[in-house]
Amino acid sequence: AQSVAQPEDQVNVAEGNPLTVKCTYSVSGNPYLFWYVQYPNRGLQFLLKYITGDNLVKGSYGFEAEFNKSQTSFHLKKPSALVSDSALYFCAVRSLNTGGFKTIFGAGTRLFVKA
Amino acid sequence: SQTIHQWPATLVQPVGSPLSLECTVEGTSNPNLYWYRQAAGRGLQLLFYSVGIGQISSEVPQNLSASRPQDRQFILSSKKLLLSDSGFYLCACPEWGQGILSGANVLTFGAGSRLTVL
Repeated sequence: AQSVAQPEDQVNVAEGNPLTVKCTYSVSGNPYLFWYVQYPNRGLQFLLKYITGDNLVKGSYGFEAEFNKSQTSFHLKKPSALVSDSALYFCAVRSLNTGGFKTIFGAGTRLFVKA
Repeated sequence: SQTIHQWPATLVQPVGSPLSLECTVEGTSNPNLYWYRQAAGRGLQLLFYSVGIGQISSEVPQNLSASRPQDRQFILSSKKLLLSDSGFYLCACPEWGQGILSGANVLTFGAGSRLTVL
């Protein structure tokens, strides 16, 4: 069965510092990996995805993520955090081995960026 | 790109009352559709998905049901609400235009329906 783990409920970082939000996954077959962000009382917005190829994926708003197959991880990173990055971040996985129909999300990590 | 409409945006219902949440999609045809629930502002739980009219797959046993009466309409229902049904319900649909492989497609989400059961 597919699963996604986000080991940190909350990440606190000062504005201007680098940030990392961790994600590990479990899936049979090749994974498709995603990061989404949610602002209060809103639906989720797509940030970036990994399909194949270069392990470093660049996405919206200066975010990037690194796919590590041996560690089954897909950590989200940003070199310099902004206060406006404060939100709830979700890692998600999908595999065609399960028909490609289901996207499974992690529990979410709340990011607080302090000015 | 497609747009997902959900209504009502907010709903307060007593325990034991019925529920109907509606999701409609514009800008695509024959989409896969999904209902997720988010409890207490945290993780998303996949409740139902549908690959076509009248085709519903349930992911977890629960007090809720789903129906897809039309290609771009997805409805979440309950005959008798429980306190535990409270949450933020999100409808989602893949953006097929973003990739050849269905698995690589990003999900588009509606703005959500917040249900409070008292």
